[in-house]
Amino acid sequence: DAGVIQSPRHEVTEMGQEVTLRCKPISGHNSLFWYRQTMMRGLELLIYFNNNVPIDDSGMPEDRFSAKMPNASFSTLKIQPSEPRDSAVYFCASRHFNPPEQFFGPGTRLTVL
Amino acid sequence: AQTVTQSQPEMSVQEAETVTLSCTYDTSENNYYLFWYKQPPSRQMILVIRQEAYKQQNATENRFSVNFQKAAKSFSLKISDSQLGDTAMYFCAFSGAGSYQLTFGKGTKLSVIP
Repeated sequence: DAGVIQSPRHEVTEMGQEVTLRCKPISGHNSLFWYRQTMMRGLELLIYFNNNVPIDDSGMPEDRFSAKMPNASFSTLKIQPSEPRDSAVYFCASRHFNPPEQFFGPGTRLTVL
Repeated sequence: AQTVTQSQPEMSVQEAETVTLSCTYDTSENNYYLFWYKQPPSRQMILVIRQEAYKQQNATENRFSVNFQKAAKSFSLKISDSQLGDTAMYFCAFSGAGSYQLTFGKGTKLSVIP
């Protein structure tokens, strides 16, 4: 199994630009999570999908952030327009219902100048 | 709401020695899962070990073992025969049975010294 795949691994963009992060979960997993990690705030859950349906997006910071999961093997996290305070490492994770451990992708390091 | 506390922000250990990382948690649930994740400098979050609350036996994965004290709500990680590759941030995490959410501690930065 290839594990959770994320792209790109690094993204540098300028303030105001649109950023799209991509994730391919582990085949057969029915839940997908997007996290953001910063030194100040640690790991924050942004949104959670179950069977491709968004269940909890209360962690999405504001309307500039949106996430989609059009099918069981692909999800995107979009930031439009991006701001310097969005600079962070963004992780995607997936899991079965049981056992409940989440498997993380390698992360995307986003830098907004 | 559940909370997870890791009281040791940083620790160090000599190569080949044993080190124990502490974790306490607070919950009113009876059925739940506890995890230790490792995040090396590469930043990949790697699952180290899982413990089910209903199991009395402590989980073990090669050099990694836990001391799960349910009544004390304590879940420590012991690393035996420490290796340089064990240098990483270690996060303790809690998940209620049937819950999707993982609650993480703030992490312990472990340095293995040659």
